[in-house]
Amino acid sequence: EPEVTQTPSHQVTQMGQEVILRCVPISNHLYFYWYRQILGQKVEFLVSFYNNEISEKSEIFDDQFSVERPDGSNFTLKIRSTKLEDSAMYFCASSEKRGEPDNEQFFGPGTRLTVL
Amino acid sequence: GIQVEQSPPDLILQEGANSTLRCNFSDSVNNLQWFHQNPWGQLINLFYIPSGTKQNGRLSATTVATERYSLLYISSSQTTDSGVYFCAVLTGANNLFFGTGTRLTVIP
Repeated sequence: EPEVTQTPSHQVTQMGQEVILRCVPISNHLYFYWYRQILGQKVEFLVSFYNNEISEKSEIFDDQFSVERPDGSNFTLKIRSTKLEDSAMYFCASSEKRGEPDNEQFFGPGTRLTVL
Repeated sequence: GIQVEQSPPDLILQEGANSTLRCNFSDSVNNLQWFHQNPWGQLINLFYIPSGTKQNGRLSATTVATERYSLLYISSSQTTDSGVYFCAVLTGANNLFFGTGTRLTVIP
């Protein structure tokens, strides 16, 4: 069964460093998303991406964050200068459709980011 | 923005017991999904259920969109059912809003 994959599973970095989190969405999906979950809290939306541009972004997604689809398969989230409060689990998701019936989102296993 | 509330926040069950988890939402939605977050942190899709009733093995879910709630039923619970159960709703903005979750612990 097709699934969303993410690498790495765990990333440890120093405050101020840049990190890139990688995702491979399900191959026939066209809509891509990043969510994050701070330990013990609920999952929060960061950004959605379609047709090589951002569709929507939340207040969390400030200038330190960027997303990119550098090739036909990968979808990346870059944090330019990490802060302690960026420590969280980051989930990538994808869906075949958007705003219609059958717009189910499928989530990857997550990347746990720890900023020291 | 939309509010998504889940109850109860915590639930402890004896193995073999049944349970009902509830999700209330404050506005009309285009989609509702139930997830199980396992002890490793992975979000497992359980149901895509904007309305109606679905069943998958020991789990079933019902969404009454007009009354803005959804229920997740777990029957004959097993220790592997432990974890956090989230409902998430999708509005016109097309991003999922998650509830605060129900933490389920099934004891042998």
